[in-house]
Amino acid sequence: ILNVEQSPQSLHVQEGDSTNFTCSFPSSNFYALHWYRWETAKSPEALFVMTLNGDEKKKGRISATLNTKEGYSYLYIKGSQPEDSATYLCAFGSNYQLIWGAGTKLIIKP
Amino acid sequence: NAGVTQTPKFQVLKTGQSMTLQCAQDMNHNSMYWYRQDPGMGLRLIYYSASEGTTDKGEVPNGYNVSRLNKREFSLRLESAAPSQTSVYFCASSESRGTGVFYGYTFGSGTRLTVV
Repeated sequence: ILNVEQSPQSLHVQEGDSTNFTCSFPSSNFYALHWYRWETAKSPEALFVMTLNGDEKKKGRISATLNTKEGYSYLYIKGSQPEDSATYLCAFGSNYQLIWGAGTKLIIKP
Repeated sequence: NAGVTQTPKFQVLKTGQSMTLQCAQDMNHNSMYWYRQDPGMGLRLIYYSASEGTTDKGEVPNGYNVSRLNKREFSLRLESAAPSQTSVYFCASSESRGTGVFYGYTFGSGTRLTVV
């Protein structure tokens, strides 16, 4: 059974600090790894889709890296702001069938 | 720019009742999906439609049916609702242009369904 694990489950970070969290996925038959940001009372919003080992993507203060050989991806947030508070989801799989992690809930403390 | 529109936003059903959740996208995406989201778990795929005219089962299809009415619309039907189907349901869409090219999903705002 394919499984995607995200850690930690939740994280409290002081405003201005940088942080990162992990997504672990099966290292065989890799297709793509997605990252989404999900704010409370909204719907998930795509951040990155990564397909190549060693891939690094960046959007503003958020970046992600991918290691397909060992089956993990890191999401980094630099200089956390209150608006970064959200649940961050990763998902692994093909175009049509993604396996989703349960998410890392990030809370930024002012 | 509407994106993905789901209706209704909330619904309470009695056990055994039926209902259809509607989803429409205006981004000309080929692929559409229905997910359910339960506390402490990742999103789970119920059904998907890779392109207009095709539908396929996902991870948890039992108790559900779908119709890809046209390129824009993809509906999810519960024929005889059960308490185990209490969940938040999300519709999503994505572009797809063949193998090796992957795109992010655009999600609707969700339907909170309670079956009593």
